[in-house]
Amino acid sequence: EIVLTQSPGTLSLSPGERVTLSCRASIRLSGDHLAWYRQQPGQAPRLVISDASNRANGIPDRFSGSGSGTDFSLTISRLEPEDFAVYYCQQYGSAPYTFGQGTKLEIK
Amino acid sequence: EVHLLESGGGLVQPGGSLRLSCAASGFTFSNYAMTWVRQAPGKGLEWVSLIRNDGGDTFYADSVKGRFTNSRDNSKNTLFLQLNSLRVDDTAVYYCARGGWASSIDSWGQGTLVIVSS
Repeated sequence: EIVLTQSPGTLSLSPGERVTLSCRASIRLSGDHLAWYRQQPGQAPRLVISDASNRANGIPDRFSGSGSGTDFSLTISRLEPEDFAVYYCQQYGSAPYTFGQGTKLEIK
Repeated sequence: EVHLLESGGGLVQPGGSLRLSCAASGFTFSNYAMTWVRQAPGKGLEWVSLIRNDGGDTFYADSVKGRFTNSRDNSKNTLFLQLNSLRVDDTAVYYCARGGWASSIDSWGQGTLVIVSS
């Protein structure tokens, strides 16, 4: 089973700031099959990034994903109020298709 | 518009069973793999199971293997998850989601809550 480790666990930031979240895989992912999801309180998750760097439909360009192999990141260039949520990475290259433990962005 | 509606959750005693359903609409159901993901109260997302579009292959997390069965009826655009030998730590919101086979999950239902308690 591939273990995904996200860091940091929690970040306290202000609207307008830039942030980079990290996701590290225990072994190299095939095909860069890594996604990022955002989950706002009380809601289902929503796809943000697929295949490590492709923005999902309707996701604004302040979101960008990068990385390959074992190290991946999600960058939000200017935080908006709706971006304060929990972000999960997930690998879909090798079953079981595991999630990271999540990074929570909270308002400072 | 893609719509996924889960049902079948509820309160069940340890050792009991439940069958969750997920009604899909707004897309050609038989073209897509489908995934179940769960989230225990206050915890993160846990991948549970995937079934390929024709139902020919299924995959499970170790935590549910041998107890849960993922199936689908493409003629009725419905996904199922049979939960047997339920344990207290199976308590979670169970999400039905589209995709997951060599692709990201691109649509999610709103979830159904399963509570395992005596």
